[in-house]
Amino acid sequence: DGGITQSPKYLFRKEGQNVTLSCEQNLNHDAMYWYRQDPGQGLRLIYYSQIVNDFQKGDIAEGYSVSREKKESFPLTVTSAQKNPTAFYLCASCDRGLRTGELFFGEGSRLTVL
Amino acid sequence: EDKVVQSPLSLVVHEGDTVTLNCSYEVTNFRSLLWYKQEKKAPTFLFMLTSSGIEKKSGRLSSILDKKELFSILNITATQTGDSAIYLCAVDRASGSRLTFGEGTQLTVNP
Repeated sequence: DGGITQSPKYLFRKEGQNVTLSCEQNLNHDAMYWYRQDPGQGLRLIYYSQIVNDFQKGDIAEGYSVSREKKESFPLTVTSAQKNPTAFYLCASCDRGLRTGELFFGEGSRLTVL
Repeated sequence: EDKVVQSPLSLVVHEGDTVTLNCSYEVTNFRSLLWYKQEKKAPTFLFMLTSSGIEKKSGRLSSILDKKELFSILNITATQTGDSAIYLCAVDRASGSRLTFGEGTQLTVNP
């Protein structure tokens, strides 16, 4: 079945450690996105990529890094520079240019920093 | 900077009630407004609205856009406990490269 797979679903880390969240899609979508969701808040855009080997900062990119070496994969690294990393992270993809207007989301990764 | 504001932020109703969720926006070169439902983890797509005054409908859910007043509403009639979720509104620019989301409305439907 086509879809987006995020892993791990739950992750615990100590302060000061970098963590990498995986996002893989087999929908053949060009564009991929990382959003962060905090309790009582909507989705805030961290990074997005419209094509392989290219990505742009979103609204809250500080303390995060990404890569897009393959069309199917868009991993997010939460670095020790991110001051408040505990959150729910959602990866999404879409047909390039949002022609259909629909983002397809993964099931999310919940990161807790102890 | 694009801005999307949803209201109310939370709402508790009884089964059978009708609810109206609001979304206002400010965006440069508006192209479309989208509604998503988030029950537990992954948001799922409900509607995309691009033209004013044309209602989109799916079962008990319907939505309409007013491009002059820059807002949209999402109506749910005869609510059921399965409608309990966070409802997210998002806007897209003409460049079509990213969505800006509102804070979401947490809807709770009690039996």
